[in-house]
Amino acid sequence: EIVLTQSPGTLSLSPGERATLSCGASQSVRSNYLAWYQQKPGQAPRLLMYGASVRTTGTPDRFSGSGSGTDFTLTISRLEPEDFAVYYCQQYVNSPFSFGQGTRLEI
Amino acid sequence: QVQLQESGPGLVKPSETLSLTCAVSGYSISSGYYWGWIRQPPGKGLEWIGCIRHGDTTYYNPSLKSRVTISADTSKNQFSLKVSSVTAADTAVYFCAGGFGPTGDYWGQGALVTVSS
Repeated sequence: EIVLTQSPGTLSLSPGERATLSCGASQSVRSNYLAWYQQKPGQAPRLLMYGASVRTTGTPDRFSGSGSGTDFTLTISRLEPEDFAVYYCQQYVNSPFSFGQGTRLEI
Repeated sequence: QVQLQESGPGLVKPSETLSLTCAVSGYSISSGYYWGWIRQPPGKGLEWIGCIRHGDTTYYNPSLKSRVTISADTSKNQFSLKVSSVTAADTAVYFCAGGFGPTGDYWGQGALVTVSS
């Protein structure tokens, strides 16, 4: 079973700043089968990125994903007010298709 | 546009079975995709429960496997979740989701299920 560890747990930044969120895997995530989600209060998560670096339709280009193997990063180049939310990574290479514990991005 | 909608009791007694259904519109679940369930205890993170593919191949989280069953009814274009022998620890918002892979490209709004006598 692959365990995903996200850091930091909480990230406090201001609009306009750059955010860097990390996701570490306990074993290699082959083929970069790593996804990122954004969740706002009272809402279902929204898929932002898959394949570690491929944005879904509607994801702004200020979001970028990188990494391979066991270390992955979600970067938001210039934070907008609507970006403050909780972010989760998920691996989908091996069942169980586990989530990280989340990073809360707050103002 | 693919849409998912969960339905089922919002209150379940301890030791009983939790049952939820996810109705899918805009796509035929028999055509493919993965269809799964994720839950989120109040104030906590996401927990992947399991999914079904091609209507019959299932994948489960080992931590829940002995109590969970996911099935699909292609005639009604819906899939279901059953969790047996529930306790207060099973209280959560339950989301159904679907996608090309085991990722949640499409999500339901979520259904809060409380386990209490």
